Amino acid sequence: DSGVTQTPKHLITATGQRVTLRCSPRSGDLSVYWYQQSLDQGLQFLIQYYNGEERAKGNILERFSAQQFPDLHSELNLSSLELGDSALYFCASSPAPFQGSGELFFGEGSRLTVL
Amino acid sequence: GESVGLHLPTLSVQEGDNSIINCAYSNSASDYFIWYKQESGKGPQFIIDIRSNMDKRQGQRVTVLLNKTVKHLSLQIAATQPGDSAVYFCAENLKLVFGQGTRLTINP
Repeated sequence: DSGVTQTPKHLITATGQRVTLRCSPRSGDLSVYWYQQSLDQGLQFLIQYYNGEERAKGNILERFSAQQFPDLHSELNLSSLELGDSALYFCASSPAPFQGSGELFFGEGSRLTVL
Repeated sequence: GESVGLHLPTLSVQEGDNSIINCAYSNSASDYFIWYKQESGKGPQFIIDIRSNMDKRQGQRVTVLLNKTVKHLSLQIAATQPGDSAVYFCAENLKLVFGQGTRLTINP
C-alpha cells in the first residue's frame, strides 16, 4: 500500500459527460501528479501540483482540469468525455517536487470507461 | 521525442535467466534516476534508484547501470521469477514524463 488513495476505482459513463477523480496523497506529501495510461501504453503526464499551486503541465487536454485543495487532496475533472478518454488515471505524490530527488508514490488508479 | 501512443516494447525471458531492460534518457542535466515496476492492474512501484555520481547500484536481485556518456540506463534482474512479470519504466528527475516502458514476460 503506497498510502495514496484514489476514488473511484472504477467509473463507467457516457460520451459528453463529466466526471471527477479524487486523490488523497500520502500523509505529509505536498506534491501531487496526475497521469493517464491508455490500454497497453505508457504513462502520460498530465499535470503536477505542489502545495496547492500548479507546478508543471504536460499534455493535458483543455477539456481536463485539476486542482489541489488546502488539505492537499487533488481532483481531476474530465469533461465532454470522448471514447478515447477511456483509460487508467493515476495519481502520485511525493514530499517535494520530483525535480529534486525521491520516488513518486502511485495510487492504484481510477479506471474510466466511456461508452 | 516522446513515444507516447506506441505499444510497449516487450522482452521475453526464461524463468531463471537474467533479464536486462534498457532505457535511454534525454536530459543530460538529470542527476537522479528511478526504475519503476508496474504489475497488471496496479500503479507503478519503486524498484531502485541511482544518482548521477554513481555508475552502478545493486539491490536485491536487481542492478541498475548508468552510462552518462550515452545517456543510457539499464536494469538487470537476476534469476528472473514469474513475479517479475510486469511493465518496467525508467524516470529521470528533470522530466515528469516516464519512458515508454518495457513489458517483461517470463516463460516457464
